[in-house]
Amino acid sequence: DTGVSQDPRHKITKRGQNVTFRCDPISEHNRLYWYRQTLGQGPEFLTYFQNEAQLEKSRLLSDRFSAERPKGSFSTLEIQRTEQGDSAMYLCASSKTGTGSHYGYTFGSGTRLTVV
Amino acid sequence: DAKTTQPPSMDCAEGRAANLPCNHSTISGNEYVYWYRQIHSQGPQYIIHGLKNNETNEMASLIITEDRKSSTLILPHATLRDTAVYYCIVRVAYSGNTPLVFGKGTRLSVIA
Repeated sequence: DTGVSQDPRHKITKRGQNVTFRCDPISEHNRLYWYRQTLGQGPEFLTYFQNEAQLEKSRLLSDRFSAERPKGSFSTLEIQRTEQGDSAMYLCASSKTGTGSHYGYTFGSGTRLTVV
Repeated sequence: DAKTTQPPSMDCAEGRAANLPCNHSTISGNEYVYWYRQIHSQGPQYIIHGLKNNETNEMASLIITEDRKSSTLILPHATLRDTAVYYCIVRVAYSGNTPLVFGKGTRLSVIA
């Protein structure tokens, strides 16, 4: 297993366009998390899934943000009508639940979004 | 909001021990102390966690005070590759229902 993969690594988009990011977690990890990170700040939690169920989405920044994990494997994060303030690094992480797991997260390298 | 306090930055000479402090005075009895680090342009990486006993692994040691209100992450022989932002986080470990909440962390610069 090569860890958590995120695609693309970089995305430049014009204001008002929609963007979608993909995250492939570690295969045996049933939980998947999305975070956003702006310059000089720590990662900010957005949402998470257990298998295909989205268990927390109140932290999504606005109704322009949505996430899916349709088959409990990969996930997508979509931002509609992008704004310059959406420019940030978007991080995905996965973890495993169950006996003996300490729920440590494995993060991907992120997708850096620039809105121009 | 993050429930920990860390200095914003620290320097350490290469080859010396780096001691990164963290205050968590409101920690609950069932909350663990986690440490992650983030090297530039990468996602955070898990380092170590502990409840009340000191812990050691191949990356670092974690020293937790007896009252559990503070802890120290120790990198015994810091190298240039240890330059990163280090995050101290408290959370309930084995339920998994509370996501990791990151503060601003400590930016450690290892100097040759």
